[in-house]
Amino acid sequence: DAKTTQPPSMDCAEGRAANLPCNHSTISGNEYVYWYRQIHSQGPQYIIHGLKNNETNEMASLIITEDRKSSTLILPHATLRDTAVYYCIVRVAGGATNKLIFGTGTLLAVQP
Amino acid sequence: ETGVTQTPRHLVMGMTNKKSLKCEQHLGHNAMYWYKQSAKKPLELMFVYNFKEQTENNSVPSRFSPECPNSSHLFLHLHTLQPEDSALYLCASESGDGPYEKLFFGSGTQLSVL
Repeated sequence: DAKTTQPPSMDCAEGRAANLPCNHSTISGNEYVYWYRQIHSQGPQYIIHGLKNNETNEMASLIITEDRKSSTLILPHATLRDTAVYYCIVRVAGGATNKLIFGTGTLLAVQP
Repeated sequence: ETGVTQTPRHLVMGMTNKKSLKCEQHLGHNAMYWYKQSAKKPLELMFVYNFKEQTENNSVPSRFSPECPNSSHLFLHLHTLQPEDSALYLCASESGDGPYEKLFFGSGTQLSVL
């Protein structure tokens, strides 16, 4: 699987948009970009995924650059409960035959 | 509530003990995973089961022994562990047969080896 690069930490003011970047310059054409988050001492939680188009769901928006070498996860109105480690992962489609490998992620601290 | 339940939530064991971690999923999924997360480290994939067959063993020491009796249950049997095995052990499941999947994680078992 291709590797991803994320900043180790970011701060965001409560109520503001949190923009979390991810670099995946070696991504292959059949690899999806996934985002998960992990609140302290809990299991990771799926947020969103995409291939090449921008995606939005009730939790967040995912913006993927046209060359697919980077992406940005956007939390439109961050709350204190959004404080967590956010993981950007690339994974080939195909389910359990393709491992989901977590990196170190970005620790997002939402400040009151 | 993710539909993936892990028990116990916390476990303290000595190095000579034998214990088991249990994971149960109520999502009708066919693939189940064990991950290990040591303090301040990324999640490490340990084992993957797909349709009850082990498809991945990420060079895990033999003192960790997985068991998947059916698609809904996954166990991790522990024996003669070392203090460095203290970690959060996470179970996850996914449907296992789709082109783009998302994992559902349990809350984990926090293991302390004394």
